[in-house]
Amino acid sequence: KNQVEQSPQSLIILEGKNCTLQCNYTVSPFSNLRWYKQDTGRGPVSLTIMTFSENTKSNGRYTATLDADTKQSSLHITASQLSDSASYICVVSIQTGANNLFFGTGTRLTVIP
Amino acid sequence: DAGVIQSPRHEVTEMGQEVTLRCKPISGHNSLFWYRQTMMRGLELLIYFNNNVPIDDSGMPEDRFSAKMPNASFSTLKIQPSEPRDSAVYFCASTKGASGRNQPQHFGDGTRLSIL
Repeated sequence: KNQVEQSPQSLIILEGKNCTLQCNYTVSPFSNLRWYKQDTGRGPVSLTIMTFSENTKSNGRYTATLDADTKQSSLHITASQLSDSASYICVVSIQTGANNLFFGTGTRLTVIP
Repeated sequence: DAGVIQSPRHEVTEMGQEVTLRCKPISGHNSLFWYRQTMMRGLELLIYFNNNVPIDDSGMPEDRFSAKMPNASFSTLKIQPSEPRDSAVYFCASTKGASGRNQPQHFGDGTRLSIL
């Protein structure tokens, strides 16, 4: 069964600290994995997209990693800011079929001063 | 550039009423997606269109839901009759290409629907 699981469900960190969010998937055949940031009351915004051959991709203070062998991805946030408070959603795409996107339920990150 | 525009932003109505959600995708994008988001289930794909044609509607929960895309710049999602369990945030997203597989999807800010 194609599934995407994220952990933790929620996380609270102090401003300036680093954190890592996890995404495990059982989706196959894998096409790509993307991370979205969703601010409260807004739609998700794409942070990174990684294909099978990419194991690291950065977008500013956000760095995503992908291990296609273990089917795991992580999103590392460096020097967190209050504006990083949001939900982070992992989405995995498969190579075939019309309905080819599988969504995690997200990690809710709160950065406190 | 204007992003994906959804209206209304909020809708509160009584059960049994018809609800129509509207979406204007980004100009030049030829795929459009409707999603529903709840706390329990996260984001769920309801239906997607490519070049105004519905490609996959397997996520539409039941016959009370219908979606149309009469042209490249407009789509509607209709619920008739509405029920309290339809309460959720409904997102529209658009992208270039035949599906959301290889391109980032651009989301609107959603319609928060409450059915009393």
